[in-house]
Amino acid sequence: GAVVSQHPSRVICKSGTSVKIECRSLDFQATTMFWYRQFPKQSLMLMATSNEGSKATYEQGVEKDKFLINHASLTLSTLTVTSAHPEDSSFYICSVPSLLGQGASYTFGSGTRLTVV
Amino acid sequence: DQQVKQNSPSLSVQEGRISILNCDYTNSMFDYFLWYKKYPAEGPTFLISISSIKDKNEDGRFTVFLNKSAKHLSLHIVPSQPGDSAVYFCAASAQGWGKLQFGAGTQVVVTP
Repeated sequence: GAVVSQHPSRVICKSGTSVKIECRSLDFQATTMFWYRQFPKQSLMLMATSNEGSKATYEQGVEKDKFLINHASLTLSTLTVTSAHPEDSSFYICSVPSLLGQGASYTFGSGTRLTVV
Repeated sequence: DQQVKQNSPSLSVQEGRISILNCDYTNSMFDYFLWYKKYPAEGPTFLISISSIKDKNEDGRFTVFLNKSAKHLSLHIVPSQPGDSAVYFCAASAQGWGKLQFGAGTQVVVTP
């Protein structure tokens, strides 16, 4: 599968500020990337599908104006949490799908722990 | 609506014995299934996958079984090792590289 790098791994920000999280596909040209969110001891919830060169597709209930996604190149997708509030504190993870043998491979970044104070 | 379900939140197994993790799904469009292992504050690590055209896939100590008629899959780990202690997620997708839907996860603890 692809090699995925996600930064930062941990960020603390003040309420009302914006935070940008980067997801890079280091060895694979990714036309699509996925962004997930995980609350403590819960499942990974798909937030949106990032599409290179076009608008992201958001899952039901996810505010697109709150979670801005930009997929400007085949190797980089960014998730910006705008006007962050404490309830946005969570673990955010990106995923890059690629081919592995005869099946799909989904490689995940190492995640970003966001704490809004 | 949870389309992928892991009904056992936790599993404790003795080292050397078999760990069996179960997963059920409701969406008949799912045609590709994966198992991931995850540690806290880290991204999931891929373990094994299976396509809907198969009913079994094996990779070392890991075997995944798929029962399409029951919409059920399971992951067998044998023999279980202390390093296997982690949260295991079942995931499913439709149509190749489609978005993954995850189950709630099962916390596995392997005791010496």
